[in-house]
Amino acid sequence: DSGVTQTPKHLITATGQRVTLRCSPRSGDLSVYWYQQSLDQGLQFLIQYYNGEERAKGNILERFSAQQFPDLHSELNLSSLELGDSALYFCASSRGTQYEQYFGPGTRLTVT
Amino acid sequence: EDKVVQSPLSLVVHEGDTVTLNCSYEVTNFRSLLWYKQEKKAPTFLFMLTSSGIEKKSGRLSSILDKKELFSILNITATQTGDSAIYLCAVYNAGNMLTFGGGTRLMVKP
Repeated sequence: DSGVTQTPKHLITATGQRVTLRCSPRSGDLSVYWYQQSLDQGLQFLIQYYNGEERAKGNILERFSAQQFPDLHSELNLSSLELGDSALYFCASSRGTQYEQYFGPGTRLTVT
Repeated sequence: EDKVVQSPLSLVVHEGDTVTLNCSYEVTNFRSLLWYKQEKKAPTFLFMLTSSGIEKKSGRLSSILDKKELFSILNITATQTGDSAIYLCAVYNAGNMLTFGGGTRLMVKP
């Protein structure tokens, strides 16, 4: 158990819908990262927050957004969902930037 | 664009064998290289390497980085069935982005 928690574990929704994924980092970690893992793309970095501020951005679609709250938990919002958004979404946390990241158990999103 | 390539894609060995997994990278403003093990779900952290030539070791696993030739290897000695997993290599750039390779799928047969 890495100490990073993610909810929900599974999510099934229809195309065009909007969902919110939640992540709580390990105690004491200030950085939160979001990743998407699909069979054909591997682990893709989406976005990083450090102490509430956006610090790095990967290939995150405009339909996706994230934020980190004062209590350091983070939410990833996915809207106008498409079939291709079906994937495992991981959150990871670290003490700061450039440190090892610890991954949560992931949220499996299925868009039908 | 940063790039991390791992080889081989997959590997099947028998218990007790020694394996070497490879990771090469092309990264703008390299900062560090990390290895992860992914079994059923979340990747678990193994090593973080920042300096060339210094081996990191944990039990039967060890890793080393060559910043001149832009690669790293992960060695596993006396493999066990519990070592069966996907091993991921990832590289940090100066922009705090961690780019992952496609992974090496290792299967250890009894």
